[in-house]
Amino acid sequence: KAGVTQTPRYLIKTRGQQVTLSCSPISGHRSVSWYQQTPGQGLQFLFEYFSETQRNKGNFPGRFSGRQFSNSRSEMNVSTLELGDSALYLCASSFVSSYNEQFFGPGTRLTVL
Amino acid sequence: QKEVEQNSGPLSVPEGAIASLNCTYSDRGSQSFFWYRQYSGKSPELIMSIYSNGDKEDGRFTAQLNKASQYVSLLIRDSQPSDSATYLCAVGGPGNTGKLIFGQGTTLQVKP
Repeated sequence: KAGVTQTPRYLIKTRGQQVTLSCSPISGHRSVSWYQQTPGQGLQFLFEYFSETQRNKGNFPGRFSGRQFSNSRSEMNVSTLELGDSALYLCASSFVSSYNEQFFGPGTRLTVL
Repeated sequence: QKEVEQNSGPLSVPEGAIASLNCTYSDRGSQSFFWYRQYSGKSPELIMSIYSNGDKEDGRFTAQLNKASQYVSLLIRDSQPSDSATYLCAVGGPGNTGKLIFGQGTTLQVKP
């Protein structure tokens, strides 16, 4: 069974730009969660989608948004990039919820210059 | 108080020894608990899940859960240099959603 895939793997952007990251979950998984990982803050929850609906959102500004498509694939968007948005962005998929095991993709390394 | 706490380490053990990693959590209603391993530059890899009080064994790994004490631990027997990584404790967030709350991770060094 194929794992979680994320594209692109690396991105370099400048301040003020916007970026869209993509995540394809494991086949059959309907929940997709997004996390931001930085050396200082660790892994922080951004939001989670299930059946095309955002079920939960972390403590991030509105510049961070996402969506999920009918095939469970998900995208996240960051607008008006700031230097502090430089991070590893990870998506994880599970069958239904955080009660189920979550499996992570390889991540997208975003660098904002 | 952080929601999930781990000792950042590094925890250094000799090859062949038992490594013991600990985690405490604040939400008494938490129901799902996970251990992930993360190598430098890689994404987290799930190694154990545990839901009930007691021990759960999988190969060289044993997860222990004590809900009364709000404590989760991971034991790695016969530690190998390849076990050197950061170990992340994660707790399922409240409600039926896909939120995991992570600790800061413990760096394990296994010396040959």
